Amino acid sequence: GAGVSQSPRYKVAKRGQDVALRCDPISGHVSLFWYQQALGQGPEFLTYFQNEAQLDKSGLPSDRFFAERPEGSVSTLKIQRTQQEDSAVYLCASSPSPAGEIRYGYTFGSGTRLTVV
Amino acid sequence: AQSVTQLGSHVSVSEGALVLLRCNYSSSVPPYLFWYVQYPNQGLQLLLKYTTGATLVKGINGFEAEFKKSETSFHLTKPSAHMSDAAEYFCAVLTGGGNKLTFGTGTQLKVEL
Repeated sequence: GAGVSQSPRYKVAKRGQDVALRCDPISGHVSLFWYQQALGQGPEFLTYFQNEAQLDKSGLPSDRFFAERPEGSVSTLKIQRTQQEDSAVYLCASSPSPAGEIRYGYTFGSGTRLTVV
Repeated sequence: AQSVTQLGSHVSVSEGALVLLRCNYSSSVPPYLFWYVQYPNQGLQLLLKYTTGATLVKGINGFEAEFKKSETSFHLTKPSAHMSDAAEYFCAVLTGGGNKLTFGTGTQLKVEL
């Protein structure tokens, strides 16, 4: 597609429910990133994939968060047993370059707004 | 650790006036610096970036930023504000070997008639 597509745009989950957020990067983009943006804050890094390999997951806040990109294109961020503090906008970004070659920058999707009630 | 600080969480200017959004960075290595804009309920759009070379960087929508190593700054400017510039602006530095952006807390720009 022309841009990074994320679905759903909005998700309301009851506390304790599992959720799955989807990211369709720009076709052919090697790198894929997930960021979490709490209300009134800047985005914070969660994890990075180069093709299907998850090379950095240092930003995942707990073992309830899990991300995958099995075929090197679409990625899913899964949150198990959601808590109220998980409420945030989850942004996906992709880049045609591998990490360390940032000349193209990153293209962000519009995000998924997760509200845990 | 590399980080950015954005001074002023809210900035208000009149239409046609100069826009100045401040960003200072902390980095032990030559930084790669970015400015992104976020409109309500949308993702982040890249305005401009500094990697190497010319320290005055021009971006989209008439914005520019100047990398000043001596001041550890990367302030964003636009000579004449337009109503459509009202949005939130984020400064960011590339860290972690080039695989993560560290963002500031953002500056909300309001443009008044």
